[in-house]
Amino acid sequence: GDSVTQMEGPVTLSEEAFLTINCTYTATGYPSLFWYVQYPGEGLQLLLKATKADDKGSNKGFEATYRKETTSFHLEKGSVQVSDSAVYFCALNAFSGGYNKLIFGAGTRLAVHP
Amino acid sequence: NAGVTQTPKFQVLKTGQSMTLQCAQDMNHEYMSWYRQDPGMGLRLIHYSVGAGITDQGEVPNGYNVSRSTTEDFPLRLLSAAPSQTSVYFCASSYSGTGGSYNEQFFGPGTRLTVL
Repeated sequence: GDSVTQMEGPVTLSEEAFLTINCTYTATGYPSLFWYVQYPGEGLQLLLKATKADDKGSNKGFEATYRKETTSFHLEKGSVQVSDSAVYFCALNAFSGGYNKLIFGAGTRLAVHP
Repeated sequence: NAGVTQTPKFQVLKTGQSMTLQCAQDMNHEYMSWYRQDPGMGLRLIHYSVGAGITDQGEVPNGYNVSRSTTEDFPLRLLSAAPSQTSVYFCASSYSGTGGSYNEQFFGPGTRLTVL
């Protein structure tokens, strides 16, 4: 079945460091791919998305490119801030039985220190 | 717009007790769903609904019941709570769950449930 694999955390960085969180997927067909972010004590928010191969999603300085050849959707940011500390989830949209369902990775906790 | 609201925020139950987690949305979304979040496992789909009167099982439905009598509300019922149901529960909604294109899902703030 469809699945998403993320790098394990926690990831600990100093402010202004470069961030990469790896995400790979297994799916039939060509799913849409997403990164969601969960700040402490809150629900999930959509951070960015890409709906087809070679699409680049971007938001708030974060970027991810849909790579069909490597089945990957790695999240990157050039200079992280303390306020980026959160849990990041990679997800894909599985369309089966006529309905859309999100399949999530396990999440990667990011801690950014001043 | 309040978006997606969930009550309660925290709940402690004893094994065997029943309770209902409430979820409501004011965006006139057709599609609503319930997830549970456990450490190291991400979010897993429990049940979902593509409209009033229509529900279906997700990945981990055992021990949970749902119904959808209105567009706005999608309660999740635990009939006989077990310690394995200790988790954080999230409700989500989107404009539509059908068709091949994706509609962004909006999440509620979650309910943290502990079963002793």
